[in-house]
Amino acid sequence: EPEVTQTPSHQVTQMGQEVILRCVPISNHLYFYWYRQILGQKVEFLVSFYNNEISEKSEIFDDQFSVERPDGSNFTLKIRSTKLEDSAMYFCASRARQGSTGELFFGEGSRLTVL
Amino acid sequence: AQTVTQSQPEMSVQEAETVTLSCTYDTSENNYYLFWYKQPPSRQMILVIRQEAYKQQNATENRFSVNFQKAAKSFSLKISDSQLGDTAMYFCAFMKHGSQGAQKLVFGQGTRLTINP
Repeated sequence: EPEVTQTPSHQVTQMGQEVILRCVPISNHLYFYWYRQILGQKVEFLVSFYNNEISEKSEIFDDQFSVERPDGSNFTLKIRSTKLEDSAMYFCASRARQGSTGELFFGEGSRLTVL
Repeated sequence: AQTVTQSQPEMSVQEAETVTLSCTYDTSENNYYLFWYKQPPSRQMILVIRQEAYKQQNATENRFSVNFQKAAKSFSLKISDSQLGDTAMYFCAFMKHGSQGAQKLVFGQGTRLTINP
């Protein structure tokens, strides 16, 4: 069964360093998302992406964050200069074409620890 | 903006019992989807059940069913004959039904469900 894959599963970094989290969405999906879950807290929307551009972003998604789909398969989240409060589990998700059932398929997440 | 509220941070039941998880939401939209996602420990979220707001009939998936009350903006999940594998975090989520753009999921705070042997 097709699935969303994410790498790395866990990354430890020093505050101020750049981090890139990678995702391979399901191949025929058109909509891509990043969500964040700080330990023990709710899952928060970061950004949605469609047709090679950002559709919507939350207040969390400030200038330190960026997304891109460089090669038609990978979907990356870059944090330019990490802060302690960026420590969280980051989930990538994808969704099929418009008019589908609306279900988002999630990856297993990338745990980011900022020291 | 839409909000989703799950008022039960934790629940615990014995195996084979029935358990109901509560969810309320707030929206001015008329067309939308509601979801329950399950997140087992250290695993990704997977869809448990989905409800389309225009459908009056409550969705069911094997042991999982919902009680969708559109006027009350309530969407509870009932798990019958609970199993040890049902132990997980359960998230209620809302999505607008839009014709354009990448509609997002808005999640509740989650309910940690433990099934005891």
